[in-house]
Order: sequence, then structure tokens, then C-alpha cells
Amino acid sequence: AQTVTQSQPEMSVQEAETVTLSCTYDTSENNYYLFWYKQPPSRQMILVIRQEAYKQQNATENRFSVNFQKAAKSFSLKISDSQLGDTAMYFCAFMNSHFGNEKLTFGTGTRLTIIP
Amino acid sequence: ETGVTQTPRHLVMGMTNKKSLKCEQHLGHNAMYWYKQSAKKPLELMFVYNFKEQTENNSVPSRFSPECPNSSHLFLHLHTLQPEDSALYLCASSLEVRGLGYGYTFGSGTRLTVV
Repeated sequence: AQTVTQSQPEMSVQEAETVTLSCTYDTSENNYYLFWYKQPPSRQMILVIRQEAYKQQNATENRFSVNFQKAAKSFSLKISDSQLGDTAMYFCAFMNSHFGNEKLTFGTGTRLTIIP
Repeated sequence: ETGVTQTPRHLVMGMTNKKSLKCEQHLGHNAMYWYKQSAKKPLELMFVYNFKEQTENNSVPSRFSPECPNSSHLFLHLHTLQPEDSALYLCASSLEVRGLGYGYTFGSGTRLTVV
């Protein structure tokens, strides 16, 4: 079974700074997908970024980028020029690539606070 | 509007009550999920439906009963719950296309309190 570990329960940074959230995972699969989801106080889980394991290039979405290290099974999220609206819980998640069995396994989350 | 709608947003129920949570999506997705979110624990996958057929039940107690009448609607029927069942219940949907791993779209959840 896959496991996802987020070792930072809480983080805080000043507005406009850069912050990196850590995530490691354990799997015996070679093909899979990794995700970062954001959950603001509104409770809705929002997809931030997605990485395909067979692609070496790190995914980027505007101010959000990942550092994907497949051999180390590490998948960190970097938020540049942080904004107050980035305050939320951030969850790292793993999905296998078996059609008909694409379940998301989540970590415990990191609570990120952006300080004005 | 996220595309996945959950009702009610909040629910308080006694241990002897029967209630139902509703989830609806009109995104054309073919898979739907129920997750339980408790404080300081990973999201727990409860049930999975693919093309309206239940494909997974992660050892969930029988006091939780899912129903998927069509590919757009998902229910979670609750009866004789325990206080430890208090949590945020999240519904999600996804489009499973072979090997593409699109990820899920989530609703805003139902905050359940059992008293």
C-alpha cells in the first residue's frame, strides 16, 4: 500500500516570501501521479498542481512549482511571492495509474499561514 | 461553484437518528468517492463508485451506507452513529480515462456532529 508523509504540521512565512512544503511517499509502482491540494477555511479542496511520475520535468503553475525527486520519492511544493490568499491547509496526494482503481492517498497536511 | 455540490453543509444528529448526506456532480465524471476528514489524520477513503458500481469499501462500519443511483448522484445514509463519527465528510468525483490520472474535484463537505 502507498503511504504519503508530510512532516511539517504547521508553517508560517511573511507575505511575498518563498516557502517550501515537504512531502515524501512510499510506493513500489513505477508509473503514478502526484498532487498538491489546497484546503482554505471554506473547506473546498482545490487542486494546486499535478505531476506525472514518468515526466522528469517539474510541474509549474504560476507561483507554484514542485521539486520532484523520483529516486528519493520526494515531492515538495514551492510557493513563490506568497500571498495572504495562500493561507490554507496543503495536502500532498498520490494516485496509482491503474485504470478503474485510481484512488488518491493523502498525507496529513501542512497548515500554512501567510503573515501580513 | 466547484462542480461538486454537497448538502447539507452542516448536520447535527443524535445517535439514534437517521440522516443522509447528498453529493451531486454534473461534470460528466464517471467515478465518485466518499472521504472522511478528521483532525490531524489523513483523509480516509470510505467508498468508491465507478460507473455507478461500488468498487471499494474500506472496512467502513455498516452504520454508513452508500447509494449511487446514477453517475451524477451519491448519497451516504447514516444511522445509529457514534460521537467518534463526527468529522468533515467530503465527496469527490473524477473522470477516469485510462492512464491519465486527472485527479479529483471535491465538494465543500458536510460537517457532521454526533451528539
